[in-house]
Amino acid sequence: KAGVTQTPRYLIKTRGQQVTLSCSPISGHRSVSWYQQTPGQGLQFLFEYFSETQRNKGNFPGRFSGRQFSNSRSEMNVSTLELGDSALYLCASSFGPKETQYFGPGTRLLVL
Amino acid sequence: DQQVKQNSPSLSVQEGRISILNCDYTNSMFDYFLWYKKYPAEGPTFLISISSIKDKNEDGRFTVFLNKSAKHLSLHIVPSQPGDSAVYFCAARSNFGNEKLTFGTGTRLTIIP
Repeated sequence: KAGVTQTPRYLIKTRGQQVTLSCSPISGHRSVSWYQQTPGQGLQFLFEYFSETQRNKGNFPGRFSGRQFSNSRSEMNVSTLELGDSALYLCASSFGPKETQYFGPGTRLLVL
Repeated sequence: DQQVKQNSPSLSVQEGRISILNCDYTNSMFDYFLWYKKYPAEGPTFLISISSIKDKNEDGRFTVFLNKSAKHLSLHIVPSQPGDSAVYFCAARSNFGNEKLTFGTGTRLTIIP
């Protein structure tokens, strides 16, 4: 069974631009969560989607948004990029909200 | 407010010996705990979990211990192997209310051959 895939793997943007990251969950998984990883900060929860509905949201500004499609694929968008948004963005999928999450390889975003 | 803490950023252990990684939490509502392992350029990989109704869970070389009164959990790896060198994250979740996973900052484990 294929794992969680994320595209693109690497991205370079400049301040003020916006970016869209994509996540395809494991087949059959309906829950998708997004995390931001920065050095020394661990994984910070961004949001969780289940059946196209946002169930949980972390403490990030409104510039960070996401959505989930009917096939469970998810996208996250960051508008008006700031230097501090440079990070590894990880997507995780699970059968449901209380199930074990399986992570993709991440998208490394560099904002210049 | 770091609700899940891994106070040791790094740990070095001789191959064949026991590796003990520690994690503390502050939120008494957490009732499910997980350990993930992460290699560079890869996403975290689920290792082992434990529910608050247990105090120990074992899977091969990996054992997780939970001390609810101390709000402390630990991951034991016996015997340690070079392939265990990675960053280990503990995570916690409450099954009541907000069910999101809260992660620690990670401990980098290096196994010395």
